[in-house]
Amino acid sequence: NAGVTQTPKFRVLKTGQSMTLLCAQDMNHEYMYWYRQDPGMGLRLIHYSVGEGTTAKGEVPDGYNVSRLKKQNFLLGLESAAPSQTSVYFCASSPGQGFYEQYFGPGTRLTVT
Amino acid sequence: TQLLEQSPQFLSIQEGENLTVYCNSSSVFSSLQWYRQEPGEGPVLLVTVVTGGEVKKLKRLTFQFGDARKDSSLHITAAQPGDTGLYLCAGDNGYSDSWGKLQFGAGTQVVVTP
Repeated sequence: NAGVTQTPKFRVLKTGQSMTLLCAQDMNHEYMYWYRQDPGMGLRLIHYSVGEGTTAKGEVPDGYNVSRLKKQNFLLGLESAAPSQTSVYFCASSPGQGFYEQYFGPGTRLTVT
Repeated sequence: TQLLEQSPQFLSIQEGENLTVYCNSSSVFSSLQWYRQEPGEGPVLLVTVVTGGEVKKLKRLTFQFGDARKDSSLHITAAQPGDTGLYLCAGDNGYSDSWGKLQFGAGTQVVVTP
């Protein structure tokens, strides 16, 4: 099993450009999450999904959109990138919420200039 | 708002020494997890604690959940270079509208030198 994979691993964008980050999991998990990690801030939840076709806002959703058309995939979109979105983005999945283990992907390092 | 405060932010010790990392909050958590993250990788779960006062051991790592379920600690005995990493605590605030979603602390960077 590959677990949770993320594409791409690195990306540099200019302000105003758009891009989509792809997350895929092969563990048949219902729940998927997108986080951003910034120095001194820990992991902050951007959006999450409790099942195919559902999405919900997390702690820092502004400037991002998500879609979960297939159970195994969770896409994170930036419509108009801003320097404040420079960060490392992590996708995670879990079989349930709360005390269930979250399985993380290797991350995508995004720089917006 | 950072619900979980971790201390210290950075810890550098020699191989063989002991260390303790703390995770504190004013909120009550229904469960708390500890993750370790290595450079260039995502966090990996070490342990989940769910009962106030609970103590769990994982080889040289000892985890404790406070009686009031507001704090937790991670103690490493005889640290080894392989223990180097960013240690993150994460709580499920099961008593609010954030139920089911983890709140992460900022992390403690541990460096163990040979």
